[in-house]
Amino acid sequence: KAGVTQTPRYLIKTRGQQVTLSCSPISGHRSVSWYQQTPGQGLQFLFEYFSETQRNKGNFPGRFSGRQFSNSRSEMNVSTLELGDSALYLCASSQLRGRGSQETQYFGPGTRLLVL
Amino acid sequence: GENVEQHPSTLSVQEGDSAVIKCTYSDSASNYFPWYKQELGKGPQLIIDIRSNVGEKKDQRIAVTLNKTAKHFSLHITETQPEDSAVYFCAARGGGSQGNLIFGKGTKLSVKP
Repeated sequence: KAGVTQTPRYLIKTRGQQVTLSCSPISGHRSVSWYQQTPGQGLQFLFEYFSETQRNKGNFPGRFSGRQFSNSRSEMNVSTLELGDSALYLCASSQLRGRGSQETQYFGPGTRLLVL
Repeated sequence: GENVEQHPSTLSVQEGDSAVIKCTYSDSASNYFPWYKQELGKGPQLIIDIRSNVGEKKDQRIAVTLNKTAKHFSLHITETQPEDSAVYFCAARGGGSQGNLIFGKGTKLSVKP
């Protein structure tokens, strides 16, 4: 079974631009979460989608948004990029998502975004 | 909200020795505790996880222990090998409807041959 895939793997943008990142979860997985990883802040939760609905959102500004499609693929968008948005953006998928879920999350390789 | 503290931030051991990484969490309702290994240029890879109804779990050279009363959990790697060198992250997930993981800051493990 193929793992979580993310595209593109690397991206260079300039301040003020916007960017869209894509994530394809493991086949059969319906939940997709996004995380931002930076050396200073570590791994921080952005948002989670399940069955095309955002179920949870982390403490990030509204410039960060996402969506999930009927095939469970997900995209995240960052508008008006700032230098501080440079990071590794990770997508993780899990099979189910119930209340108090203990489902394992599997991570993709990430998209490394550099904002100049 | 949940807060996860991880120690040490760096750990250097000789090949064949054991390595122990410790994490504490704040939310007593947390019920799922995974450990991830991240190598340079790659995403985190799940190496072992434990759920709140279990006190210890072992998988070959890797073991995790959970003390719910004290709200801490630990990763134990025995007979370390150079390929164990990586950054290790602990995480916790709350017991409510929110499904996101809260991560520790990571431990950079170096295994010297």
